[in-house]
Amino acid sequence: GAVVSQHPSRVICKSGTSVKIECRSLDFQATTMFWYRQFPKQSLMLMATSNEGSKATYEQGVEKDKFLINHASLTLSTLTVTSAHPEDSSFYICSAYRGAANEKLLFGSGTQLSVL
Amino acid sequence: SQQGEEDPQALSIQEGENATMNCSYKTSINNLQWYRQNSGRGLVHLILIRSNEREKHSGRLRVTLDTSKKSSSLLITASRAADTASYFCASDEETSGSRLTFGEGTQLTVNP
Repeated sequence: GAVVSQHPSRVICKSGTSVKIECRSLDFQATTMFWYRQFPKQSLMLMATSNEGSKATYEQGVEKDKFLINHASLTLSTLTVTSAHPEDSSFYICSAYRGAANEKLLFGSGTQLSVL
Repeated sequence: SQQGEEDPQALSIQEGENATMNCSYKTSINNLQWYRQNSGRGLVHLILIRSNEREKHSGRLRVTLDTSKKSSSLLITASRAADTASYFCASDEETSGSRLTFGEGTQLTVNP
């Protein structure tokens, strides 16, 4: 069935390094994917909308040069956290709508990023 | 985007009891959805209610929507320990272009 697959599930990195997170739609095509960030015991905050074949749309306050999004195919979007710092430590989740009705969001299982 | 509000922030009940969570939103919506999140995991879609609907059921879940008050409630009946999770409402605002606005969430603990 239709699933959103996200990898890695957990990553620990040193400050200053870059980390890439992949989000794949399985058994369906996703022209649009969404990237969220979630701090402990808080809600999801939308970071950006990833559109296949075009530039991502970033929410206010999200640095596009720091959080690089690439949506090169209909089944894959990537989020790269560049020059990560401890304050970037968070839970990152991607999601995609399945079908043209644009109603139910399918979520990846999330990536816990810890920057030392 | 602004966050909706949910109450209570935390709810602790015994197995078998009912759990009610409330959500408010700020603008006109196309639909409102409820999601569940287990700790450290992604979200799972539970139920969607459209703006022209007032009540919807799915198994042990009952959702209501009051567009005049811009509020929704999620009722879980006959709760089980496995229902322990965080529950979020998400509003699909008419002007959002299909971007969902999530509420702050309710942490539900069901004690065996």
